[in-house]
Amino acid sequence: SAVISQKPSRDICQRGTSLTIQCQVDSQVTMMFWYRQQPGQSLTLIATANQGSEATYESGFVIDKFPISRPNLTFSTLTVSNMSPEDSSIYLCSVEGIGNTEAFFGQGTRLTVV
Amino acid sequence: GQQVMQIPQYQHVQEGEDFTTYCNSSTTLSNIQWYKQRPGGHPVFLIQLVKSGEVKKQKRLTFQFGEAKKNSSLHITATQTTDVGTYFCAGSGNQFYFGTGTSLTVIP
Repeated sequence: SAVISQKPSRDICQRGTSLTIQCQVDSQVTMMFWYRQQPGQSLTLIATANQGSEATYESGFVIDKFPISRPNLTFSTLTVSNMSPEDSSIYLCSVEGIGNTEAFFGQGTRLTVV
Repeated sequence: GQQVMQIPQYQHVQEGEDFTTYCNSSTTLSNIQWYKQRPGGHPVFLIQLVKSGEVKKQKRLTFQFGEAKKNSSLHITATQTTDVGTYFCAGSGNQFYFGTGTSLTVIP
């Protein structure tokens, strides 16, 4: 199993600003992912954080809006840039979960943009 | 693109009643996983099914994977208040997709 520390757990931000969310894993993992979950909705994959190369973004998500860093196999950050109220959501980091392995999730970051 | 739908979206049951959620994929899946998310919490892995027609049990929970590997179900026998939460299936095909989820409320 993997223990994931994600922070901040919640934040209230002004529109037009940016917030960086951090995800620290207690062991080296190959696959790290960032999801968004609107209240009462399912999880939508934003991107796969690749170590040593640019993140792989899903349709509808772009690097300029959601820049991601993955400096090593235990750490990643997601930045929500130039925020608007539509970005208010829960953001979750996750490790593994592709193929035959289960996914582990951080506790999530509840973001409110005012 | 691949879609994974779940029904029902919401379910309210009296404590002690049974509950079933169904997961349907538009494409064939290599495997399917089930997760539970408590209110205010994050998804927690329950189980993975890989084989066509596979059935697995965890105490009061029974998981099935369809013969065509395009659908799955989770059945809870005699629900308890601790079963409250949203249940997601997640399928691996070309990519890994979470289903739309079923929110379960158990009335004491």
